[in-house]
Amino acid sequence: DTEVTQTPKHLVMGMTNKKSLKCEQHMGHRAMYWYKQKAKKPPELMFVYSYEKLSINESVPSRFSPECPNSSLLNLHLHALQPEDSALYLCASSQGTVVTGELFFGEGSRLTVL
Amino acid sequence: GQQLNQSPQSMFIQEGEDVSMNCTSSSIFNTWLWYKQDPGEGPVLLIALYKAGELTSNGRLTAQFGITRKDSFLNISASIPSDVGIYFCAGPRNSGNTPLVFGKGTRLSVIA
Repeated sequence: DTEVTQTPKHLVMGMTNKKSLKCEQHMGHRAMYWYKQKAKKPPELMFVYSYEKLSINESVPSRFSPECPNSSLLNLHLHALQPEDSALYLCASSQGTVVTGELFFGEGSRLTVL
Repeated sequence: GQQLNQSPQSMFIQEGEDVSMNCTSSSIFNTWLWYKQDPGEGPVLLIALYKAGELTSNGRLTAQFGITRKDSFLNISASIPSDVGIYFCAGPRNSGNTPLVFGKGTRLSVIA
């Protein structure tokens, strides 16, 4: 069983809706990540939080807004999304950002934008 | 940025056969990771490699960190139906730092 928990597992939203994806880990990891994965493609990095501070934003559109309320939680706020934003959104965590490099992934939130 | 070239793109094998897939890069990697992803799930770490030449096993899986630090392979022995999925190689995007960059994946199908 994964120790990174993501909710909801599935989300359908309209282009005018506001919704949030949530991620939680209790491994004491200090780095957390959001990845986006389209069908038959590898995961693509969106954001990295290190010690609760945003350290990397991969030029993600502002309609995606990450938030790290504490070291165990990571949210992704969604607003005014487009149909092409439909994808599997993966949360991951690691002990730190200096490699060992082992990222632990959640099961993902499958997002469909209508 | 660093890119990982993974091959083959897909494989169809009979149950019981051995499988080999590899990953190469034009850049040096200090860490190689192999993940498996089942449909609709997140990637699960299979094996992590940290030293050039390192050979590591995890059950029926064996992976090696190439001597040049620019390649790695993953072998699966005596495949079973639950080996079906997508296998990704991955490494730190910048030397010494996460996050990871992923290869494009090898899709494995096992025919019973």
